Amino acid sequence: DAGITQSPRHKVTETGTPVTLRCHQTENHRYMYWYRQDPGHGLRLIHYSYGVKDTDKGEVSDGYSVSRSKTEDFLLTLESATSSQTSVYFCAISKDRGGNQPQHFGDGTRLSIL
Amino acid sequence: GENVEQHPSTLSVQEGDSAVIKCTYSDSASNYFPWYKQELGKRPQLIIDIRSNVGEKKDQRIAVTLNKTAKHFSLHITETQPEDSAVYFCAASLGGATNKLIFGTGTLLAVQP
Repeated sequence: DAGITQSPRHKVTETGTPVTLRCHQTENHRYMYWYRQDPGHGLRLIHYSYGVKDTDKGEVSDGYSVSRSKTEDFLLTLESATSSQTSVYFCAISKDRGGNQPQHFGDGTRLSIL
Repeated sequence: GENVEQHPSTLSVQEGDSAVIKCTYSDSASNYFPWYKQELGKRPQLIIDIRSNVGEKKDQRIAVTLNKTAKHFSLHITETQPEDSAVYFCAASLGGATNKLIFGTGTLLAVQP
Protein backbone atom coordinates (compact mmCIF):
# COMPACT_ATOMS: atom_id res chain seq x y z
CA ASP A 1 0.00 0.00 0.00
CA ALA A 2 1.16 3.53 -0.81
CA GLY A 3 2.47 5.38 2.25
CA ILE A 4 -0.27 7.97 2.64
CA THR A 5 -1.60 9.14 5.98
CA GLN A 6 -4.58 11.42 6.33
CA SER A 7 -5.37 13.23 9.55
CA PRO A 8 -7.70 13.52 11.26
CA ARG A 9 -9.71 10.48 10.17
CA HIS A 10 -12.93 11.90 11.58
CA LYS A 11 -13.93 15.40 12.54
CA VAL A 12 -17.12 17.10 13.62
CA THR A 13 -17.20 20.87 13.71
CA GLU A 14 -19.58 23.81 13.51
CA THR A 15 -20.50 26.07 10.64
CA GLY A 16 -18.19 29.04 10.32
CA THR A 17 -15.14 27.46 11.93
CA PRO A 18 -11.86 26.94 10.05
CA VAL A 19 -10.81 23.35 9.36
CA THR A 20 -7.49 21.98 8.12
CA LEU A 21 -7.00 18.45 6.83
CA ARG A 22 -3.55 17.00 6.41
CA CYS A 23 -2.18 14.53 3.89
CA HIS A 24 1.29 13.11 4.53
CA GLN A 25 3.15 10.81 2.09
CA THR A 26 6.35 8.84 2.46
CA GLU A 27 6.70 7.97 -1.26
CA ASN A 28 8.37 11.20 -2.43
CA HIS A 29 5.78 11.47 -5.22
CA ARG A 30 5.51 14.75 -7.08
CA TYR A 31 1.74 14.94 -7.49
CA MET A 32 -0.78 15.22 -4.68
CA TYR A 33 -4.55 15.64 -4.89
CA TRP A 34 -7.54 16.41 -2.71
CA TYR A 35 -10.93 14.94 -3.64
CA ARG A 36 -14.30 14.99 -2.02
CA GLN A 37 -16.69 12.04 -2.28
CA ASP A 38 -20.44 12.51 -2.06
CA PRO A 39 -23.27 10.10 -2.91
CA GLY A 40 -24.20 10.31 -6.56
CA HIS A 41 -21.14 12.38 -7.48
CA GLY A 42 -18.25 9.98 -7.32
CA LEU A 43 -14.90 11.59 -6.62
CA ARG A 44 -14.49 15.26 -7.49
CA LEU A 45 -11.16 17.05 -7.58
CA ILE A 46 -10.85 20.03 -5.24
CA HIS A 47 -7.21 21.07 -5.69
CA TYR A 48 -4.01 19.41 -6.74
CA SER A 49 -0.29 20.03 -6.47
CA TYR A 50 2.45 19.34 -9.01
CA GLY A 51 5.34 20.29 -6.73
CA VAL A 52 6.32 22.25 -3.65
CA LYS A 53 4.43 25.55 -3.68
CA ASP A 54 2.85 24.59 -7.04
CA THR A 55 -0.91 24.12 -6.79
CA ASP A 56 -3.93 24.53 -9.01
CA LYS A 57 -7.70 24.37 -8.77
CA GLY A 58 -9.90 21.42 -9.55
CA GLU A 59 -13.58 21.31 -10.46
CA VAL A 60 -14.98 22.10 -6.97
CA SER A 61 -12.42 24.48 -5.47
CA ASP A 62 -14.73 27.23 -4.14
CA GLY A 63 -14.47 27.54 -0.35
CA TYR A 64 -11.21 25.56 -0.18
CA SER A 65 -7.53 26.50 -0.17
CA VAL A 66 -4.40 24.36 -0.14
CA SER A 67 -0.75 24.62 0.68
CA ARG A 68 2.29 22.48 0.01
CA SER A 69 5.43 23.69 1.72
CA LYS A 70 7.13 20.28 1.69
CA THR A 71 7.06 17.40 -0.76
CA GLU A 72 5.50 15.10 1.82
CA ASP A 73 2.67 17.31 3.10
CA PHE A 74 -0.42 18.69 1.37
CA LEU A 75 -2.88 20.65 3.49
CA LEU A 76 -6.52 21.36 2.67
CA THR A 77 -8.18 24.27 4.49
CA LEU A 78 -11.81 25.22 4.75
CA GLU A 79 -11.58 28.86 5.79
CA SER A 80 -15.16 29.04 7.08
CA ALA A 81 -16.84 25.65 6.98
CA THR A 82 -20.39 25.29 5.66
CA SER A 83 -22.80 22.37 5.91
CA SER A 84 -22.42 21.76 2.15
CA GLN A 85 -18.80 20.82 2.83
CA THR A 86 -19.84 17.81 4.90
CA SER A 87 -18.23 14.99 2.95
CA VAL A 88 -15.56 12.33 2.88
CA TYR A 89 -12.24 13.80 1.77
CA PHE A 90 -9.58 11.69 0.08
CA CYS A 91 -5.99 12.55 -0.63
CA ALA A 92 -4.20 10.86 -3.52
CA ILE A 93 -0.64 10.79 -4.84
CA SER A 94 1.00 9.89 -8.12
CA LYS A 95 4.51 9.66 -9.51
CA ASP A 96 6.09 11.86 -12.15
CA ARG A 97 7.17 9.52 -14.93
CA GLY A 98 5.95 11.52 -17.88
CA GLY A 99 2.39 11.01 -18.99
CA ASN A 100 -0.48 10.05 -16.74
CA GLN A 101 0.33 7.79 -13.82
CA PRO A 102 -1.89 5.82 -11.42
CA GLN A 103 -3.21 7.70 -8.43
CA HIS A 104 -3.17 5.98 -5.04
CA PHE A 105 -5.53 7.05 -2.29
CA GLY A 106 -5.30 7.57 1.45
CA ASP A 107 -7.90 6.20 3.86
CA GLY A 108 -10.00 9.36 3.87
CA THR A 109 -11.27 11.89 6.38
CA ARG A 110 -14.95 11.95 7.28
CA LEU A 111 -15.88 15.56 7.97
CA SER A 112 -19.23 16.59 9.42
CA ILE A 113 -20.19 20.25 9.69
CA LEU A 114 -23.16 20.98 11.90
CA GLY B 1 -16.79 20.81 -19.01
CA GLU B 2 -15.47 17.34 -19.59
CA ASN B 3 -17.30 14.43 -18.01
CA VAL B 4 -17.39 10.66 -17.65
CA GLU B 5 -20.69 8.81 -17.65
CA GLN B 6 -20.88 5.43 -15.97
CA HIS B 7 -23.60 2.76 -16.24
CA PRO B 8 -25.29 1.04 -14.60
CA SER B 9 -25.42 2.71 -11.21
CA THR B 10 -26.30 -0.60 -9.57
CA LEU B 11 -25.72 -4.15 -10.76
CA SER B 12 -26.75 -7.40 -9.11
CA VAL B 13 -25.42 -10.74 -10.38
CA GLN B 14 -25.34 -14.33 -9.19
CA GLU B 15 -22.06 -15.76 -8.01
CA GLY B 16 -20.19 -17.19 -10.99
CA ASP B 17 -21.84 -14.90 -13.53
CA SER B 18 -20.04 -12.12 -15.41
CA ALA B 19 -20.44 -8.41 -14.72
CA VAL B 20 -19.89 -5.56 -17.17
CA ILE B 21 -19.65 -1.87 -16.31
CA LYS B 22 -19.50 0.73 -19.08
CA CYS B 23 -18.13 4.26 -19.21
CA THR B 24 -18.19 6.98 -21.83
CA TYR B 25 -15.82 9.95 -21.80
CA SER B 26 -16.02 13.30 -23.55
CA ASP B 27 -12.41 14.55 -23.72
CA SER B 28 -10.92 13.38 -27.01
CA ALA B 29 -7.42 13.96 -25.57
CA SER B 30 -7.94 11.43 -22.74
CA ASN B 31 -5.28 8.71 -22.94
CA TYR B 32 -5.35 6.94 -19.57
CA PHE B 33 -8.28 5.03 -18.07
CA PRO B 34 -8.03 3.50 -14.58
CA TRP B 35 -10.64 1.52 -12.67
CA TYR B 36 -11.00 1.62 -8.90
CA LYS B 37 -12.77 -0.68 -6.45
CA GLN B 38 -14.06 0.77 -3.20
CA GLU B 39 -15.37 -1.39 -0.40
CA LEU B 40 -17.70 0.13 2.17
CA GLY B 41 -15.85 2.61 4.38
CA LYS B 42 -12.55 2.01 2.62
CA ARG B 43 -10.35 3.92 0.22
CA PRO B 44 -10.62 3.50 -3.57
CA GLN B 45 -8.07 0.96 -4.78
CA LEU B 46 -6.72 0.73 -8.30
CA ILE B 47 -7.59 -2.65 -9.83
CA ILE B 48 -6.66 -2.22 -13.48
CA ASP B 49 -5.83 0.53 -15.96
CA ILE B 50 -5.44 0.90 -19.71
CA ARG B 51 -3.76 3.40 -21.98
CA SER B 52 -5.02 4.63 -25.32
CA ASN B 53 -2.46 2.69 -27.34
CA VAL B 54 -3.98 -0.60 -26.15
CA GLY B 55 -7.44 -1.99 -26.95
CA GLU B 56 -7.72 -4.58 -24.19
CA LYS B 57 -5.96 -5.58 -20.99
CA LYS B 58 -6.55 -8.58 -18.74
CA ASP B 59 -5.56 -9.45 -15.19
CA GLN B 60 -6.92 -12.81 -14.07
CA ARG B 61 -10.73 -12.44 -13.82
CA ILE B 62 -10.71 -8.74 -14.69
CA ALA B 63 -10.44 -7.20 -18.14
CA VAL B 64 -10.82 -3.72 -19.55
CA THR B 65 -11.61 -2.82 -23.16
CA LEU B 66 -11.24 0.54 -24.85
CA ASN B 67 -12.91 1.86 -27.98
CA LYS B 68 -11.26 5.22 -28.72
CA THR B 69 -13.44 5.96 -31.72
CA ALA B 70 -16.63 5.68 -29.71
CA LYS B 71 -14.98 7.03 -26.52
CA HIS B 72 -16.16 3.99 -24.57
CA PHE B 73 -14.33 1.77 -22.11
CA SER B 74 -15.65 -1.14 -20.10
CA LEU B 75 -14.75 -3.30 -17.12
CA HIS B 76 -15.46 -7.01 -17.36
CA ILE B 77 -15.39 -9.28 -14.31
CA THR B 78 -15.77 -13.00 -14.96
CA GLU B 79 -16.66 -15.77 -12.48
CA THR B 80 -17.82 -13.22 -9.93
CA GLN B 81 -17.40 -13.97 -6.24
CA PRO B 82 -19.06 -12.40 -3.17
CA GLU B 83 -15.82 -10.55 -2.39
CA ASP B 84 -16.20 -8.69 -5.70
CA SER B 85 -19.15 -6.84 -4.14
CA ALA B 86 -18.15 -3.15 -3.93
CA VAL B 87 -18.51 0.18 -5.69
CA TYR B 88 -16.48 0.43 -8.89
CA PHE B 89 -15.38 3.75 -10.37
CA CYS B 90 -14.06 4.42 -13.83
CA ALA B 91 -11.92 7.47 -14.60
CA ALA B 92 -10.39 9.18 -17.60
CA SER B 93 -7.39 11.48 -17.79
CA LEU B 94 -8.04 15.12 -18.54
CA GLY B 95 -6.21 16.45 -21.56
CA GLY B 96 -2.88 14.90 -22.56
CA ALA B 97 -0.38 14.46 -19.72
CA THR B 98 -2.06 16.58 -17.07
CA ASN B 99 -1.96 13.87 -14.41
CA LYS B 100 -5.55 14.79 -13.57
CA LEU B 101 -8.47 12.39 -13.63
CA ILE B 102 -12.20 12.83 -13.95
CA PHE B 103 -14.28 10.09 -12.33
CA GLY B 104 -17.55 8.42 -13.16
CA THR B 105 -20.27 8.35 -10.51
CA GLY B 106 -19.74 4.71 -9.57
CA THR B 107 -21.45 1.33 -9.91
CA LEU B 108 -22.57 -0.64 -6.87
CA LEU B 109 -21.97 -4.29 -7.70
CA ALA B 110 -23.70 -6.90 -5.55
CA VAL B 111 -22.74 -10.54 -6.06
CA GLN B 112 -25.40 -12.82 -4.65
CA PRO B 113 -24.11 -16.14 -3.24
